Amino acid sequence: LAKTTQPISMDSYEGQEVNITCSHNNIATNDYITWYQQFPSQGPRFIIQGYKTKVTNEVASLFIPADRKSSTLSLPRVSLSDTAVYYCLVGDLNDYKLSFGAGTTVTVRA
Amino acid sequence: GAVVSQHPSRVICKSGTSVKIECRSLDFQATTMFWYRQFPKQSLMLMATSNEGSKATYEQGVEKDKFLINHASLTLSTLTVTSAHPEDSSFYICSARGGRQGSSYNSPLHFGNGTRLTVT
Repeated sequence: LAKTTQPISMDSYEGQEVNITCSHNNIATNDYITWYQQFPSQGPRFIIQGYKTKVTNEVASLFIPADRKSSTLSLPRVSLSDTAVYYCLVGDLNDYKLSFGAGTTVTVRA
Repeated sequence: GAVVSQHPSRVICKSGTSVKIECRSLDFQATTMFWYRQFPKQSLMLMATSNEGSKATYEQGVEKDKFLINHASLTLSTLTVTSAHPEDSSFYICSARGGRQGSSYNSPLHFGNGTRLTVT
C-alpha cells in the first residue's frame, strides 16, 4: 500500500478555494487515488476518486500530475460546513484494503 | 449512491459483557466488508476484512477471539466485541465496496456512520 503524506491542518475562510495536496511517491501502476471527508463521530464520506489528470464532480476537483506522485483535492468556495478531516487514500481497488493516513483537518472560518 | 447502514450508532455496556454491531449494505451486495476502529483525534485503523461465507482476515495485533466477525450474507456483516473492557471503548466503523451496477470493480468504499462503544 502506498504511503501518503498530507498537511496536518489547513485554515481557510468562507468562500475561498481550498487545495489539499497529498504526496504518494511510491504509488503503484494499479493504484487509484481516493479522497474522503469525515465529520466528528461520523463515518468517512466519499468525495472523489481518480487515476490520472483531472477529475471533477459536483463537490470537488482532483488534480493528478503525469507522474502521479502527488494529487491535489480542490474544494471550491468552501463554507463553514466544510470544516472536517480530509483523507487521501492510495491503493489498488482490486486489493480492497485501503490504508488511512493521518488526514488533513480543514477549518473554515466566517 | 451506495449506502451502508450501521447499527447501533451508540452503545454503552458494562465491562465483561459482549456487544454486537451490525453493518448492512442497503442497495448493493458486498462480498467484502471492512471493520475499522478509531480513537479520539486519530485516524481509522483497519481491524479486519470480512468475507462473505468465509473466515475474516484480521490485521496484525487484532485479537480474533475478542472481535468476532460474521459475514453470513451478501448484505450483512456483524462485529461482536466479546468480554468488553474499558480499553475497548472506541468508535467502530464498517465499510463496503459496491455500486449500482452490481459490479464492485473500481467502486469506491462506502462507510457506515459508525458505532460509539463505551464500556463502563
